[in-house]
Amino acid sequence: QVQLVESGGGVVQPGRSLRLSCAASGFTLSSYAMHWVRQAPGKGLEWVAVVSNDGSKKYYADSVKGRLTISRDNSMNTLYLQMNSLRVEDTAVYYCARDVATPPNTAVAGDYWGQGTLVTVSS
Amino acid sequence: DIQMTQSPSSVSASVGDRVTITCRASQGISSWLAWYQQKPGKAPKLLIYAASSLQSGVPSRFSGSGSGTDFTLTISSLQPEDFATYYCQQANSFPLTFGQGTRLEIK
Repeated sequence: QVQLVESGGGVVQPGRSLRLSCAASGFTLSSYAMHWVRQAPGKGLEWVAVVSNDGSKKYYADSVKGRLTISRDNSMNTLYLQMNSLRVEDTAVYYCARDVATPPNTAVAGDYWGQGTLVTVSS
Repeated sequence: DIQMTQSPSSVSASVGDRVTITCRASQGISSWLAWYQQKPGKAPKLLIYAASSLQSGVPSRFSGSGSGTDFTLTISSLQPEDFATYYCQQANSFPLTFGQGTRLEIK
């Protein structure tokens, strides 16, 4: 069965870095675009970034552009989110999600989601 | 960026009721709209994509309609497990954007 398991969250000071991972199993990662979506405590969903199935295309929310970088290693069945210059407002649960679309579409909707990993940015 | 506005922000209903949630896009998005259900402490669950395509395994009491700027999610007969928060999300252009959510509560 499809499984996505995030890891790497924790407490970090403003300005510092963190890398999140999302381990995928039960499907062929290289066939699907993958997203990161976050949710601040008590707030709604915010889309963060997407990477195409082969890693050639990446798109970001304006709020994270230049600071957060999405990447993938299909050979390791893993998605990543490198988070630099973290801000207090980046505090959230971060979810990885598989896109329901197949190439050439890059993004339609997330059909499978991980359980999320909490990132807290605080001094 | 495309702004997504859901209405109402919250709604109270009873088991067996028919409920409709609306999502409006700030510009046309064709049929590139998805609906999610989220329960407290859980990841979102995809219900509908491409405005009206029911995700595999989702009960048929859920349906979606619309195109352009106006969309609806309808639950034909509410069940106890349907009380949750619902989000719409556009996929017409980047950045993808979500609506603010609609909380469906038990009356």
